[in-house]
Amino acid sequence: QVQLEQSGAEVKKPGASVKVSCKASGYTFTGYFMHWVRQAPGQGLEWMGWINPDSGGTKYSQKFQGRVIMTSDTSIRTVYMNLSSLTPDDTAIYSCARVRSRMVVASLDSWGQGTLVTVSS
Amino acid sequence: DIQMTQSPSSLSASVGDRVTITCRASQDIDNYLAWYQQKPGKVPKLLIYAASTFQSGVPSRFSGSGSGTDFTLTISSLQPEDVATYHCQQYYIAPLTFGGGTKVEIK
Repeated sequence: QVQLEQSGAEVKKPGASVKVSCKASGYTFTGYFMHWVRQAPGQGLEWMGWINPDSGGTKYSQKFQGRVIMTSDTSIRTVYMNLSSLTPDDTAIYSCARVRSRMVVASLDSWGQGTLVTVSS
Repeated sequence: DIQMTQSPSSLSASVGDRVTITCRASQDIDNYLAWYQQKPGKVPKLLIYAASTFQSGVPSRFSGSGSGTDFTLTISSLQPEDVATYHCQQYYIAPLTFGGGTKVEIK
């Protein structure tokens, strides 16, 4: 079955960067776009962007443009999300999520377990 | 960006009650609408896509309807295990956007 295994919790200081990984198994890794979604404590869901794991092509939310970089390593079936210039407002759970169908944007049918990133001085 | 507005933001109902959650899009999104269930401390789980199509394994007491700008998620008979926050999401066009969520509790 589809599984997305994310890296562990991180604590960062303001101004630092964080890199979260998402290792996929149970399906054709290069066949499905991967999205990243975050959720701040007590808040709603916020879309950050997507990556095509095959080509490495990306599209980012304008809110994160210039601060986020999503990459893919097909040899180890893993996608990464790097967020820089962190502020306390970036404290959130970051999740990778696979699209349900072989389309760029679609509903998200499989989610990683989430990675808590805490930004504090 | 397409804005998604959910209502109510929270509700409390008795076991066995029929529960309805609405989601309104700021522009026509055809049927490119998904519903997710998020239990406390967990990541979201896809319930319904294409406005009314069940994801595999979802109990039949859940149903979705609507098209264009107005959508509804209905739980026909609320069960204790349905305590969760429910989110709608449009995928008509990027950026994907979510509603603010509806927290469902048992009275």
